Amino acid sequence: DIVMTQTPLSLSVTPGQPASISCKSSQSLLYSDGLTYLYWYLQKPGQSPQLLIYEVSSRFSGVPDRFSGSGSGTDFTLKISRVEAEDVGTYYCMQGRHIPPTFGPGTKVDIQ
Amino acid sequence: QVTLKESGPVLVKPTETLTLTCTVSGFRMGVSWIRQPPGKALEWLAHIFSNDEKAYSTSLKSRVTISRDTSKSQVVLTMTNMDPADAGTYYCARRIEDRLGWYFDLWGRGTLVTVSS
Repeated sequence: DIVMTQTPLSLSVTPGQPASISCKSSQSLLYSDGLTYLYWYLQKPGQSPQLLIYEVSSRFSGVPDRFSGSGSGTDFTLKISRVEAEDVGTYYCMQGRHIPPTFGPGTKVDIQ
Repeated sequence: QVTLKESGPVLVKPTETLTLTCTVSGFRMGVSWIRQPPGKALEWLAHIFSNDEKAYSTSLKSRVTISRDTSKSQVVLTMTNMDPADAGTYYCARRIEDRLGWYFDLWGRGTLVTVSS
């Protein structure tokens, strides 16, 4: 199975400041169709995970543009340009290139 | 309206078999089961495709079965020989099958399962 790692595992951010989370996969997530199957989810406290970013950098419907994703191959980054109070929760990267799909350990973000 | 809703027992005893039901409405696509131990990360368990083919977690395939009851719009997960380490929240989630990548765009609220004698 593909192993996903994330750094940092926790992050405390001042509202209005940027935040960045790194995700690495044990194998390349690039498929022969040219797409890279890396996803980001946010799980707010007491809620189900919600899809933020698909295929590395595409924002899912309704996701604010302060969220952006980048990366290639095995190294990826999620950035929040200006953190808001509603962004607290745990962020997970997930690979969908290889079966079984696997998640990172999560990065818990809270507000200072 | 497109929804998924999990249901099943809140408490099971060690060695028992867990049966969970995901009732879906508004679509017939692939559905996966994903679990989350308390305070821990997400773990994918199994998937049933829209054509009823199935896929299973490498580590749990000997204990897990997924099936569909089309007449009831339900996807059922059974897990045998339950252990306290299997406790947690179990989610069902929809996978969009017109894309090659595996991802889940819609999740149920989850159902919490405790394993204790």
